[in-house]
Amino acid sequence: SQQGEEDPQALSIQEGENATMNCSYKTSINNLQWYRQNSGRGLVHLILIRSNEREKHSGRLRVTLDTSKKSSSLLITASRAADTASYFCATAPNTGGFKTIFGAGTRLFVKA
Amino acid sequence: DTEVTQTPKHLVMGMTNKKSLKCEQHMGHRAMYWYKQKAKKPPELMFVYSYEKLSINESVPSRFSPECPNSSLLNLHLHALQPEDSALYLCASSHPGLAGGPTYNEQFFGPGTRLTVL
Repeated sequence: SQQGEEDPQALSIQEGENATMNCSYKTSINNLQWYRQNSGRGLVHLILIRSNEREKHSGRLRVTLDTSKKSSSLLITASRAADTASYFCATAPNTGGFKTIFGAGTRLFVKA
Repeated sequence: DTEVTQTPKHLVMGMTNKKSLKCEQHMGHRAMYWYKQKAKKPPELMFVYSYEKLSINESVPSRFSPECPNSSLLNLHLHALQPEDSALYLCASSHPGLAGGPTYNEQFFGPGTRLTVL
Protein backbone atom coordinates (compact mmCIF):
# COMPACT_ATOMS: atom_id res chain seq x y z
CA SER A 1 0.00 0.00 0.00
CA GLN A 2 0.97 3.63 -0.22
CA GLN A 3 3.98 5.01 1.61
CA GLY A 4 2.98 7.99 3.72
CA GLU A 5 -0.60 7.41 4.78
CA GLU A 6 -2.12 10.27 6.69
CA ASP A 7 -4.97 10.72 9.07
CA PRO A 8 -7.33 12.27 9.48
CA GLN A 9 -8.27 12.80 5.85
CA ALA A 10 -10.10 15.98 6.83
CA LEU A 11 -10.08 18.12 9.94
CA SER A 12 -12.29 21.09 10.83
CA ILE A 13 -11.44 23.24 13.86
CA GLN A 14 -12.07 26.68 15.28
CA GLU A 15 -9.50 29.45 15.06
CA GLY A 16 -7.20 29.34 18.07
CA GLU A 17 -7.42 25.57 18.49
CA ASN A 18 -4.55 23.19 17.85
CA ALA A 19 -4.54 20.86 14.84
CA THR A 20 -2.75 17.50 14.83
CA MET A 21 -2.15 15.45 11.71
CA ASN A 22 -0.51 12.04 11.58
CA CYS A 23 1.49 10.26 8.93
CA SER A 24 2.56 6.63 8.76
CA TYR A 25 5.00 5.07 6.33
CA LYS A 26 6.26 1.60 5.54
CA THR A 27 9.92 1.59 4.54
CA SER A 28 13.07 2.95 6.14
CA ILE A 29 13.50 6.62 5.41
CA ASN A 30 16.27 9.17 5.23
CA ASN A 31 13.98 12.03 6.17
CA LEU A 32 10.35 13.03 6.35
CA GLN A 33 9.01 16.37 5.21
CA TRP A 34 5.74 18.21 5.63
CA TYR A 35 4.28 20.44 2.93
CA ARG A 36 1.25 22.71 2.73
CA GLN A 37 -0.85 23.26 -0.38
CA ASN A 38 -3.44 25.96 -0.73
CA SER A 39 -6.28 25.03 -3.07
CA GLY A 40 -5.06 24.28 -6.58
CA ARG A 41 -1.64 25.82 -6.06
CA GLY A 42 1.94 24.68 -5.59
CA LEU A 43 3.22 23.07 -2.42
CA VAL A 44 5.14 24.99 0.21
CA HIS A 45 7.78 23.24 2.28
CA LEU A 46 7.12 23.53 6.02
CA ILE A 47 9.66 21.41 7.84
CA LEU A 48 12.09 18.52 7.34
CA ILE A 49 12.96 16.05 10.07
CA ARG A 50 15.81 13.61 9.59
CA SER A 51 15.62 9.98 10.62
CA ASN A 52 17.95 10.56 13.58
CA GLU A 53 15.80 13.39 14.97
CA ARG A 54 12.77 12.90 17.20
CA GLU A 55 11.25 16.35 17.36
CA LYS A 56 11.55 19.63 15.54
CA HIS A 57 9.94 23.04 15.94
CA SER A 58 9.39 25.90 13.55
CA GLY A 59 7.23 28.78 14.75
CA ARG A 60 3.77 27.37 15.49
CA LEU A 61 4.71 24.00 13.99
CA ARG A 62 5.91 20.99 15.92
CA VAL A 63 6.85 17.77 14.17
CA THR A 64 7.65 14.47 15.83
CA LEU A 65 9.12 11.36 14.27
CA ASP A 66 8.99 7.85 15.69
CA THR A 67 11.04 5.59 13.44
CA SER A 68 10.21 2.50 15.52
CA LYS A 69 6.52 3.03 14.73
CA LYS A 70 7.23 4.51 11.31
CA SER A 71 5.05 7.49 12.07
CA SER A 72 5.19 11.25 12.30
CA SER A 73 2.86 13.95 13.54
CA LEU A 74 2.45 17.61 12.67
CA LEU A 75 1.00 19.90 15.30
CA ILE A 76 -0.12 23.41 14.41
CA THR A 77 -0.73 25.46 17.53
CA ALA A 78 -3.10 28.42 17.84
CA SER A 79 -4.47 27.86 14.34
CA ARG A 80 -5.56 30.72 12.11
CA ALA A 81 -8.02 30.87 9.22
CA ALA A 82 -4.98 31.30 6.94
CA ASP A 83 -3.82 27.80 7.96
CA THR A 84 -6.72 26.35 5.94
CA ALA A 85 -5.00 24.13 3.36
CA SER A 86 -4.06 20.54 2.57
CA TYR A 87 -1.07 19.17 4.43
CA PHE A 88 1.07 16.38 3.02
CA CYS A 89 3.85 14.34 4.52
CA ALA A 90 6.55 13.24 2.11
CA THR A 91 9.17 10.58 2.63
CA ALA A 92 12.52 9.98 1.00
CA PRO A 93 12.91 6.19 1.26
CA ASN A 94 16.33 5.03 2.34
CA THR A 95 16.43 2.31 -0.30
CA GLY A 96 18.90 3.89 -2.66
CA GLY A 97 16.25 5.45 -4.88
CA PHE A 98 15.84 9.12 -5.42
CA LYS A 99 12.11 9.52 -5.14
CA THR A 100 9.87 11.48 -2.82
CA ILE A 101 6.58 9.82 -1.98
CA PHE A 102 3.70 11.96 -0.81
CA GLY A 103 1.00 10.79 1.55
CA ALA A 104 -2.68 11.15 0.79
CA GLY A 105 -2.85 14.41 2.75
CA THR A 106 -5.04 15.97 5.42
CA ARG A 107 -7.42 18.74 4.45
CA LEU A 108 -7.53 21.25 7.29
CA PHE A 109 -10.31 23.81 7.58
CA VAL A 110 -9.96 26.50 10.24
CA LYS A 111 -13.15 28.39 10.96
CA ALA A 112 -12.86 32.04 11.90
CA ASP B 1 15.28 34.73 -6.32
CA THR B 2 13.62 31.87 -4.46
CA GLU B 3 10.89 31.23 -6.95
CA VAL B 4 10.03 28.47 -9.36
CA THR B 5 7.98 29.75 -12.27
CA GLN B 6 5.78 27.70 -14.56
CA THR B 7 4.13 28.61 -17.83
CA PRO B 8 1.42 28.55 -18.91
CA LYS B 9 -0.85 28.73 -15.86
CA HIS B 10 -3.68 27.05 -17.74
CA LEU B 11 -3.64 24.95 -20.91
CA VAL B 12 -6.49 23.41 -22.85
CA MET B 13 -5.52 21.06 -25.64
CA GLY B 14 -7.05 18.50 -27.94
CA MET B 15 -5.88 14.92 -28.12
CA THR B 16 -4.02 15.55 -31.39
CA ASN B 17 -2.18 18.68 -30.24
CA LYS B 18 1.47 19.06 -29.32
CA LYS B 19 2.22 21.47 -26.51
CA SER B 20 4.95 22.11 -23.95
CA LEU B 21 5.02 23.06 -20.30
CA LYS B 22 7.89 25.16 -19.07
CA CYS B 23 9.54 25.51 -15.69
CA GLU B 24 12.36 27.83 -14.62
CA GLN B 25 14.34 28.43 -11.45
CA HIS B 26 17.34 30.61 -10.65
CA MET B 27 18.24 29.25 -7.23
CA GLY B 28 21.17 27.23 -8.49
CA HIS B 29 19.35 23.98 -7.83
CA ARG B 30 20.67 21.04 -9.82
CA ALA B 31 17.72 18.71 -9.29
CA MET B 32 14.38 19.34 -11.00
CA TYR B 33 11.15 17.37 -10.93
CA TRP B 34 7.83 16.96 -12.67
CA TYR B 35 4.79 15.84 -10.68
CA LYS B 36 1.22 15.14 -11.75
CA GLN B 37 -1.59 15.87 -9.32
CA LYS B 38 -5.22 14.93 -9.75
CA ALA B 39 -7.93 16.68 -7.74
CA LYS B 40 -7.89 15.82 -4.01
CA LYS B 41 -4.93 13.49 -4.50
CA PRO B 42 -1.24 13.83 -3.58
CA PRO B 43 1.37 14.74 -6.18
CA GLU B 44 2.75 11.75 -8.08
CA LEU B 45 6.35 11.87 -9.19
CA MET B 46 6.85 11.62 -12.96
CA PHE B 47 10.47 12.55 -13.70
CA VAL B 48 13.59 13.69 -11.87
CA TYR B 49 16.59 15.37 -13.46
CA SER B 50 19.84 15.56 -11.55
CA TYR B 51 22.63 17.69 -13.03
CA GLU B 52 20.63 17.89 -16.27
CA LYS B 53 20.51 14.09 -16.63
CA LEU B 54 17.32 12.09 -16.36
CA SER B 55 17.56 10.28 -13.04
CA ILE B 56 14.06 8.91 -12.59
CA ASN B 57 11.27 8.07 -15.01
CA GLU B 58 8.37 6.64 -13.07
CA SER B 59 7.07 4.52 -15.96
CA VAL B 60 5.42 7.54 -17.49
CA PRO B 61 3.76 7.00 -20.93
CA SER B 62 5.85 8.18 -23.86
CA ARG B 63 3.28 10.82 -24.74
CA PHE B 64 5.02 12.81 -21.97
CA SER B 65 8.57 13.74 -22.91
CA PRO B 66 10.76 15.69 -20.48
CA GLU B 67 13.70 17.84 -21.45
CA CYS B 68 16.26 19.70 -19.35
CA PRO B 69 18.10 22.07 -21.70
CA ASN B 70 20.18 23.65 -18.91
CA SER B 71 20.40 23.81 -15.15
CA SER B 72 17.65 26.45 -14.89
CA LEU B 73 15.06 25.13 -17.30
CA LEU B 74 12.82 22.08 -17.41
CA ASN B 75 10.30 21.34 -20.13
CA LEU B 76 7.57 18.77 -20.47
CA HIS B 77 6.54 18.08 -24.05
CA LEU B 78 3.02 16.76 -24.52
CA HIS B 79 1.74 14.85 -27.54
CA ALA B 80 -1.40 12.81 -28.19
CA LEU B 81 -2.63 13.12 -24.64
CA GLN B 82 -5.76 11.47 -23.30
CA PRO B 83 -8.57 13.12 -21.29
CA GLU B 84 -7.39 11.23 -18.19
CA ASP B 85 -4.13 13.19 -18.41
CA SER B 86 -6.01 16.29 -17.32
CA ALA B 87 -4.44 17.36 -14.03
CA LEU B 88 -2.28 19.95 -12.29
CA TYR B 89 1.34 19.55 -13.38
CA LEU B 90 3.82 20.73 -10.80
CA CYS B 91 7.49 21.48 -11.26
CA ALA B 92 9.90 21.51 -8.32
CA SER B 93 13.60 21.98 -7.74
CA SER B 94 16.06 21.23 -4.96
CA HIS B 95 19.72 21.04 -4.13
CA PRO B 96 21.06 17.55 -4.68
CA GLY B 97 21.58 16.07 -1.23
CA LEU B 98 24.96 15.35 0.27
CA ALA B 99 24.09 11.67 0.12
CA GLY B 100 23.79 11.96 -3.62
CA GLY B 101 20.04 11.65 -3.86
CA PRO B 102 18.29 14.78 -5.06
CA THR B 103 15.24 14.32 -2.91
CA TYR B 104 17.01 14.39 0.43
CA ASN B 105 16.48 18.12 0.66
CA GLU B 106 13.44 20.34 0.60
CA GLN B 107 11.82 20.91 -2.74
CA PHE B 108 10.63 24.28 -3.99
CA PHE B 109 7.47 24.04 -6.04
CA GLY B 110 6.09 26.20 -8.79
CA PRO B 111 2.39 27.16 -8.87
CA GLY B 112 1.61 24.49 -11.45
CA THR B 113 0.00 24.31 -14.88
CA ARG B 114 -3.65 23.31 -14.92
CA LEU B 115 -3.98 21.07 -17.99
CA THR B 116 -7.28 20.10 -19.57
CA VAL B 117 -7.32 17.58 -22.41
CA LEU B 118 -10.47 17.56 -24.50
